[in-house]
Amino acid sequence: AQSVTQPDIHITVSEGASLELRCNYSYGATPYLFWYVQSPGQGLQLLLKYFSGDTLVQGIKGFEAEFKRSQSSFNLRKPSVHWSDAAEYFCAVGGYSSASKIIFGSGTRLSIRP
Amino acid sequence: DVKVTQSSRYLVKRTGEKVFLECVQDMDHENMFWYRQDPGLGLRLIYFSYDVKMKEKGDIPEGYSVSREKKERFSLILESASTNQTSMYLCASSFFGGVSTDTQYFGPGTRLTVL
Repeated sequence: AQSVTQPDIHITVSEGASLELRCNYSYGATPYLFWYVQSPGQGLQLLLKYFSGDTLVQGIKGFEAEFKRSQSSFNLRKPSVHWSDAAEYFCAVGGYSSASKIIFGSGTRLSIRP
Repeated sequence: DVKVTQSSRYLVKRTGEKVFLECVQDMDHENMFWYRQDPGLGLRLIYFSYDVKMKEKGDIPEGYSVSREKKERFSLILESASTNQTSMYLCASSFFGGVSTDTQYFGPGTRLTVL
């Protein structure tokens, strides 16, 4: 079955610290992978996406993610978080499979400690 | 920039009422989507549309219907609202192409409460 797992429901990091949010997927074809961010009271905004090429993808707001096929993972990273990064982050997988839709993970809520 | 707007940010309705949620996008996108967002469950697809008057069921279509009479507008209809439909509803759109491969652009959401 096709699925996305975000094992961390809630993470708190100190401002200026590094961040890694985990995402594991199960997909029967070549995956298209996405990270979206949802700030409080707002819709989702694309941070970055991957479908081929360099496995380290750069996104907006200083975020990057690395695709590791052998581990079925697409973890999101940022070297130094800012208070404005407090939000909910969703990993998603799609592709040209029978699913014909993008599957979203359950999200990770990020809090920033001053 | 792509703009996706939803008719209401907050909505309170009574059980049994017919509810319309409207979504408009201004970028001539072919594909439009309705999701439901609940804590711990992420986003679940209710319906999507890849063309005017075309619709496909998502994962949780029961109790919902949709209408797409014009390319820019996609409506979600709750025929008879129930308390278990209390949720955040998100509309999204994407450019022509695979509905499962393209970047989706989201509206701000409508928080619906059914009493």
